[in-house]
Amino acid sequence: ELKVEQNPLFLSMQEGKNYTIYCNYSTTSDRLYWYRQDPGKSLESLFVLLSNGAVKQEGRLMASLDTKARLSTLHITAAVHDLSATYFCAVDITGGATNKLIFGTGTLLAVQP
Amino acid sequence: DTGVSQNPRHKITKRGQNVTFRCDPISEHNRLYWYRQTLGQGPEFLTYFQNEAQLEKSRLLSDRFSAERPKGSFSTLEIQRTEQGDSAMYLCASSLGSGGEDTQYFGPGTRLTVL
Repeated sequence: ELKVEQNPLFLSMQEGKNYTIYCNYSTTSDRLYWYRQDPGKSLESLFVLLSNGAVKQEGRLMASLDTKARLSTLHITAAVHDLSATYFCAVDITGGATNKLIFGTGTLLAVQP
Repeated sequence: DTGVSQNPRHKITKRGQNVTFRCDPISEHNRLYWYRQTLGQGPEFLTYFQNEAQLEKSRLLSDRFSAERPKGSFSTLEIQRTEQGDSAMYLCASSLGSGGEDTQYFGPGTRLTVL
């Protein structure tokens, strides 16, 4: 059974600091996604990573994928308060069109001024 | 708004009642998914459709749950004889159903509270 683990589960950081969220998964994956969820809201797609070594960046967030290690990272550069949210990674193990996603437990990020 | 929409946004019901939720996907999307999310957890897959065909159901989807997508457009999720354990956020998502960077886009969710 596919397992997706994130760490840390909770991250409190100061504005301006850098940090990394880790996502480990237990079996071969075709795609890995990162989503953001604000309190009481739905999920917003951030990145989709397909291949080993893939790196994508949007603003202060950068995601990478190492399929050999079954590890993805979400790096936050110079955090700002607006980045406070819960971040989920999700894995799709089917080929072709996306099928079901298996989500991690999420990382609650709180950026303090 | 051309995103995924869900109705109602909130539903409070008494144990034993039936409830039905509706999801309208992004118009050109062939695939439609239902997930359930409880507090502090990631979403859990329930079922998905390719057009009107229901292709997979999770073990979480007991016989009290039924989902339909009759014309390959909107979908409904019905829960019969609700239990307090059914209280959760029910999320709908849709995707093009293509390969490559096919991405699931989520709706705002329906929050169910069973008293």
